[in-house]
Amino acid sequence: EIVLTQSPATLSLSPGERATLSCRASQSVSSYLAWYQQKPGQAPRLVIHDASNRATGIPARFSGSGSGTDFTLTISSLEPEDFAVYYCQQRSDWPRTFGQGTKLEIK
Amino acid sequence: EVQLVESGGGLVQPGGSLRLSCAASGFTFSSSAMHWVRQAPGKGLEYVSAITNSGGSTFYANSVKGRFTISRDNSKNTLSLQMGSLRAEDTAVYYCARISVSGWYDYWGQGTLVTVSS
Repeated sequence: EIVLTQSPATLSLSPGERATLSCRASQSVSSYLAWYQQKPGQAPRLVIHDASNRATGIPARFSGSGSGTDFTLTISSLEPEDFAVYYCQQRSDWPRTFGQGTKLEIK
Repeated sequence: EVQLVESGGGLVQPGGSLRLSCAASGFTFSSSAMHWVRQAPGKGLEYVSAITNSGGSTFYANSVKGRFTISRDNSKNTLSLQMGSLRAEDTAVYYCARISVSGWYDYWGQGTLVTVSS
């Protein structure tokens, strides 16, 4: 199965700063990668799909890039509501797999 | 408004069975593939099972293959997960999720907690 490795495990930043989260796949997933945001006690929310496409209702400060095995989620200027856990997920192959998550916390 | 509402979770002994349901509304259920995704307490997300829109094809994670069965009733807009031979490591919040046209989890339920313990 395709293993997705996210880094860092925890990212401590202040509102207004830029966040850069990484996801590396154990083999190429082309552009079949998504990012999800999950807040405590809530279901995940789709943020980015197909590596670089914002989901409906997602602010423009969120952007995604990459293809093949290396992907990045960037939040250009953090808002208080952006602090959460972010997961990447691939749909290039079965089984669908998720990364272990990056916790974005307030510094 | 798309809504997915899971039910059926609870406490079950190791080796026991449980049936989860997901009631869908606000979209044409028969047009969407559906998945179950779980999250153990304090852990990350894990794909469990998938079913095509017609129910003609099903897929399972290796960890549940042979123990869990996914099904759907398009006349009742309901997705189900029959869980058997339950183990402690199956303890998790189970989410049902809709697959979008582009293939991603675009809507999720609120989840139902399954606890496997004696």
